Amino acid sequence: DAEITQSPRHKITETGRQVTLACHQTWNHNNMFWYRQDLGHGLRLIHYSYGVHDTNKGEVSDGYSVSRSNTEDLPLTLESAASSQTSVYFCASSDKGQVIQETQYFGPGTRLLVL
Amino acid sequence: AQSVTQPDIHITVSEGASLELRCNYSYGATPYLFWYVQSPGQGLQLLLKYFSGDTLVQGIKGFEAEFKRSQSSFNLRKPSVHWSDAAEYFCAVGAAGTYKYIFGTGTRLKVLA
Repeated sequence: DAEITQSPRHKITETGRQVTLACHQTWNHNNMFWYRQDLGHGLRLIHYSYGVHDTNKGEVSDGYSVSRSNTEDLPLTLESAASSQTSVYFCASSDKGQVIQETQYFGPGTRLLVL
Repeated sequence: AQSVTQPDIHITVSEGASLELRCNYSYGATPYLFWYVQSPGQGLQLLLKYFSGDTLVQGIKGFEAEFKRSQSSFNLRKPSVHWSDAAEYFCAVGAAGTYKYIFGTGTRLKVLA
């Protein structure tokens, strides 16, 4: 069955370190998204991509970067981790169409703790 | 400003009882409305969505939601709750032609046996 996976599921790191969270989907979806989930804020969009070599900033993109070299993967990099980036991170994907009507399918999440 | 409000942070119901989770939105454009469920340790799963037409929308797992434009609401309902419905529920709104969801802060549902 097609799916979307994230790794690692849990990560502890130190302030200032570079961290990369992996997201892999097997639906062949064009669109991929990264969100962070924090208490009191719901989910907020970090970055998104509409296809290979396409990346765009979301509402909370500072301190994060993404690259899309193939259809299946959209890794999220924290250039220099900060305690404010302690959060749960969700990757999502959706089929063709840069529109909200396309259902987004979410991965299981990565819980990141920055000490 | 665009926003989604879920006024109830926690709700507890007994198994077999009816359920209504509230969602109010503020959005200038025509809203596209969604309800997602997040089970413990899992990602979000779409329950239902509303784009246009009949304002009563049926979803998976026996859930339904009703869009009321005059009240800017999109409340989620289930006539009889099962223990497996214990989870966190998120309402989201998006505008036509955009990529972006705005999520509410979620309502955590506890089901008593």
